[in-house]
Amino acid sequence: DAMVIQNPRYQVTQFGKPVTLSCSQTLNHNVMYWYQQKSSQAPKLLFHYYDKDFNNEADTPDNFQSRRPNTSFCFLDIRSPGLGDAAMYLCATSRVSGGGSDTQYFGPGTRLTVL
Amino acid sequence: DAKTTQPNSMESNEEEPVHLPCNHSTISGTDYIHWYRQLPSQGPEYVIHGLTSNVNNRMASLAIAEDRKSSTLILHRATLRDAAVYYCILSHRDDKIIFGKGTRLHILP
Repeated sequence: DAMVIQNPRYQVTQFGKPVTLSCSQTLNHNVMYWYQQKSSQAPKLLFHYYDKDFNNEADTPDNFQSRRPNTSFCFLDIRSPGLGDAAMYLCATSRVSGGGSDTQYFGPGTRLTVL
Repeated sequence: DAKTTQPNSMESNEEEPVHLPCNHSTISGTDYIHWYRQLPSQGPEYVIHGLTSNVNNRMASLAIAEDRKSSTLILHRATLRDAAVYYCILSHRDDKIIFGKGTRLHILP
C-alpha cells in the first residue's frame, strides 16, 4: 500500500547531540511537511517542501533544518536538541498544495526523547 | 488564518450516532472545511472535506450550514475505535492547513 513511512518510531538523543529523523513516501506527492506535536497539543507546522522549494514557518527555531534530496525522502535535522524539543514529529504529504480540496497523508510519527 | 471553534471534549455511547460541531464564522467563500482525526499514539488521518454541499463517505458525513458558518461531522454509529481527537480545519487554496485544539471524543461502552 502507498504510504508515508517514518523511521525510527522512537528516537532517544542526548541534550545538544544532533539528531536526524527520516520520512519517506510512496505516494509520489509533490508536497512534504514536518510537524511538531507536544503532549496534549495540536500538531504545529515547522516547514514544508513544495517539490524542491523549501518553506519555513516564521516561528520555527533555527535549530530545526530540513532536507529533501528527492521526491520520496525528507529529513528533519535538529542541530542541538534541547529538553523542550522532546515531542512527536509528524511527516505528512499532499499531492499538490495541501490547501483547498487537497488532503494530507500523515506518517505514524517519531517520538523524540531528549535526555 | 481562518479560525474554527470546537468543544474541548464530547462523550458518546458506543453504537450511537455522534455529532461533532464546528463553528467557523469568518470562513471565506473559497475555504474548504476539512476534518481530520488523530487516534492515540498515531498520526492524524483525513476523515472528510467539503465546500458547500453535504458530503458522505465510508467514514462519516459532513453537514455544512447554508451560510457556511458552521458544520457538523457525523459518525453514524460510533465504535470504541472512533475515540480520538477530531480536528475541524479551514483550508484555502494553496495554503497549508493549521490545526486547532480539536475535540477529544470519548466513546462509552
